[in-house]
Amino acid sequence: KAGVTQTPRYLIKTRGQQVTLSCSPISGHRSVSWYQQTPGQGLQFLFEYFSETQRNKGNFPGRFSGRQFSNSRSEMNVSTLELGDSALYLCASSSGDVNTEAFFGQGTRLTVV
Amino acid sequence: SQKIEQNSEALNIQEGKTATLTCNYTNYSPAYLQWYRQDPGRGPVFLLLIRENEKEKRKERLKVTFDTTLKQSLFHITASQPADSATYLCALLREAGTALIFGKGTTLSVSS
Repeated sequence: KAGVTQTPRYLIKTRGQQVTLSCSPISGHRSVSWYQQTPGQGLQFLFEYFSETQRNKGNFPGRFSGRQFSNSRSEMNVSTLELGDSALYLCASSSGDVNTEAFFGQGTRLTVV
Repeated sequence: SQKIEQNSEALNIQEGKTATLTCNYTNYSPAYLQWYRQDPGRGPVFLLLIRENEKEKRKERLKVTFDTTLKQSLFHITASQPADSATYLCALLREAGTALIFGKGTTLSVSS
């Protein structure tokens, strides 16, 4: 079974630009969650999508948005990039049931210059 | 708000010893708790899940305990090896949905 795939793996963007990251979950998984990881803050929850609906949202500004398609693939978008958005962005897929583990992708390393 | 704290940012031990990592949480009564391992530059990998009605769970050299009175979980690695060096994260379910909130992790270094 293929794992969670995130693309691209690395990205360098300029302040003010926008970026779109992609996540393909494990086949059959309907839940996709996004996290931002920085050395100082650790893994911080951005949002969760389940069957194309945002089910849960963390405390991030509206510049961070996401969506999920009918095939469960998900994208997250960050507009008007700031230097502080530089981070490892991780997506995790799960079946969507309680009591199940999350499977993470390798992440997208975003650097804003 | 829900809070998870992993007491130590870093833990250094010698090969063969038992590593014990601590996870405390507040403002929450989770039905279960999970532990993950993360290597540098990679996504976390699931290790163990323990439910509130389970006091202890084992998997090979790993053992997790869950004390809902103390609001604490302990994660033990027995007979530690240099290959166990990594960051270990504990995670709890958010109040709605299946998304997890994570502690900041404890970085374990096992020296030979």
